Amino acid sequence: DAMVIQNPRYQVTQFGKPVTLSCSQTLNHNVMYWYQQKSSQAPKLLFHYYDKDFNNEADTPDNFQSRRPNTSFCFLDIRSPGLGDAAMYLCATSSAGTGFSNQPQHFGDGTRLSIL
Amino acid sequence: SQQGEEDPQALSIQEGENATMNCSYKTSINNLQWYRQNSGRGLVHLILIRSNEREKHSGRLRVTLDTSKKSSSLLITASRAADTASYFCATADRGSTLGRLYFGRGTQLTVWP
Repeated sequence: DAMVIQNPRYQVTQFGKPVTLSCSQTLNHNVMYWYQQKSSQAPKLLFHYYDKDFNNEADTPDNFQSRRPNTSFCFLDIRSPGLGDAAMYLCATSSAGTGFSNQPQHFGDGTRLSIL
Repeated sequence: SQQGEEDPQALSIQEGENATMNCSYKTSINNLQWYRQNSGRGLVHLILIRSNEREKHSGRLRVTLDTSKKSSSLLITASRAADTASYFCATADRGSTLGRLYFGRGTQLTVWP
């Protein structure tokens, strides 16, 4: 049973045309993360939500925004995609409780974004 | 960089052999986690080892942690073709309250039938 679902699996957009990637989860986890992963590189954390609290990484470009309308859904918006934004975008969740950082993260299968 | 570094970058072995991957990191950690990623898929959590643990087992997986050397190793015993994937270590910094993980670049493991 899929627990973290990302749609679409593949997305093609044009240079400069806004694009939205979506993530949903059935785990009822209160933390959701967005990562960017380029070929043969480490996943790079863009930002995450702890419930409704948004935490942006210092080096995440302003071009990247996120929304979390409820516990189950989280969106990644790229306002003006450039060629350098072509990558796999991974959504992950975890449950925050005692020892917040001792929880594993559960990943979706990602959305591969191509820029024309 | 706070990222871990895996070694080797690529490893190619025959089915039945053992595979050992190493990870080095730079900061004081709360825990270290290993993940697997099949081609074109998301990451799957394999095992978490806390900073006060030295060794942990899960099925054919054995993870060791040496905090004095800031290093960890992942051993896969009796490897199978289905173990072919990229393996990443990820560290959670001591004192971090945000659950942030820092991933290494990964080791690409190929297991030949």
